[in-house]
Amino acid sequence: EAGVAQSPRYKIIEKRQSVAFWCNPISGHATLYWYQQILGQGPKLLIQFQNNGVVDDSQLPKDRFSAERLKGVDSTLKIQPAKLEDSAVYLCASSSYLTSGHEQFFGPGTRLTVL
Amino acid sequence: AQTVTQSQPEMSVQEAETVTLSCTYDTSENNYYLFWYKQPPSRQMILVIRQEAYKQQNATENRFSVNFQKAAKSFSLKISDSQLGDTAMYFCAFMFRNEKLTFGTGTRLTIIP
Repeated sequence: EAGVAQSPRYKIIEKRQSVAFWCNPISGHATLYWYQQILGQGPKLLIQFQNNGVVDDSQLPKDRFSAERLKGVDSTLKIQPAKLEDSAVYLCASSSYLTSGHEQFFGPGTRLTVL
Repeated sequence: AQTVTQSQPEMSVQEAETVTLSCTYDTSENNYYLFWYKQPPSRQMILVIRQEAYKQQNATENRFSVNFQKAAKSFSLKISDSQLGDTAMYFCAFMFRNEKLTFGTGTRLTIIP
């Protein structure tokens, strides 16, 4: 079974620029998550989708971050404009309660550096 | 809001020894789930072990076991016969109903040959 795919793996941008990350979850997984992991901290949930609907986006900075999952499969996370404090690893995860209970499967992450 | 605390930022142990990683959490809920995730250097995060709060029996997965103390809100991970491949960041995580994971700050574990 293929795992969660993310691209790009690394991105360096200057502050005030825009950036987008892509995630393709494990086939059949209805739930998709985006986490932000700042260096030295644990991952923090930004947004959770169930199919193509948003379940939780309470910690998403909506003035600059946006995410979509149009067909209930892959997802994009966008930052516009980026700030220095957005430097982090952005992790995508997916899950299917029917096949694996509450286990979340993580992708390799996108490491973003904002200069 | 739930919080997860890992008080050991770094630990190291000799290969083949046993090591215990600590985790405490705070919640007012009764039914929830606890997890230990492993994040090896430059590799993706994977699940090590999980515990359902309604189960009194501690979970075990081969060399990995937990000591779950619900009243004390403590959830420690024991790694027996440690191996070089166990070197990683270990995150304790809490989940309640809505499937959102709340992570601790992690413990960096180094296995010394």
